[in-house]
Amino acid sequence: EIVLTQSPATLSLSPGERATLSCRASQSVSNSLAWYQQKPGQAPRLLIYDASKRATGIPARFSGSGSGTDFTLTISSLEPEDFAVYFCQQRGSWPLTFGGGTKVEI
Amino acid sequence: QVQLVESGGGVVQPGRSLRLSCAVSGFPFSSHGMHWVRQAPGKGLEWVAVIWYDGSQQYYADAVMGRFTISRDNSKDTLYLQMNSLRAEDTAIYYCTRDGYYGRRFYSDYWGQGTLVTVSS
Repeated sequence: EIVLTQSPATLSLSPGERATLSCRASQSVSNSLAWYQQKPGQAPRLLIYDASKRATGIPARFSGSGSGTDFTLTISSLEPEDFAVYFCQQRGSWPLTFGGGTKVEI
Repeated sequence: QVQLVESGGGVVQPGRSLRLSCAVSGFPFSSHGMHWVRQAPGKGLEWVAVIWYDGSQQYYADAVMGRFTISRDNSKDTLYLQMNSLRAEDTAIYYCTRDGYYGRRFYSDYWGQGTLVTVSS
């Protein structure tokens, strides 16, 4: 099983600041990685697929990078609605796995 | 518009069974793989199981292998999760998700709102 380790667990920032979230895989997943955003009481929403491609309707301030074992989600300038929990998920091999999440808080 | 609506959650005693359903609309159900993903209260996401668009293959997380069965009825646009021998650690919100095709790979692009399963005596 591929283990995804997200860091930091919590990121405390202010609106307008840049957020950098990390996801590290225990073995290569190529670029088969997605990022999801989850707000309290809501289902997760797909933000990024194939490590760097924005899903439909996702603002350009969200960007993903990386391949192999090291991945980054960057939010260039935080908007109030971006404060949430972010999860990475690998689709490289079964069983599918998620990272433990990073909470971006004000 | 795409909709996924889970049902069947509730409180169940350890060792008992429960069947979850996920009714979908707004897309050709028989063309998409489907997943169950769960989230224990206050915790992260855990992938549970997947079924191919035609039901020909299924994969499971180790934690539920041999106890849970994913299935689908394409004539009813409905996904199921049969959960047997339930344990306290199965307590979670259960989400169904749709696999969307993105170039060369699939990703869960639509999620239901979830149904809560509580395993407790």
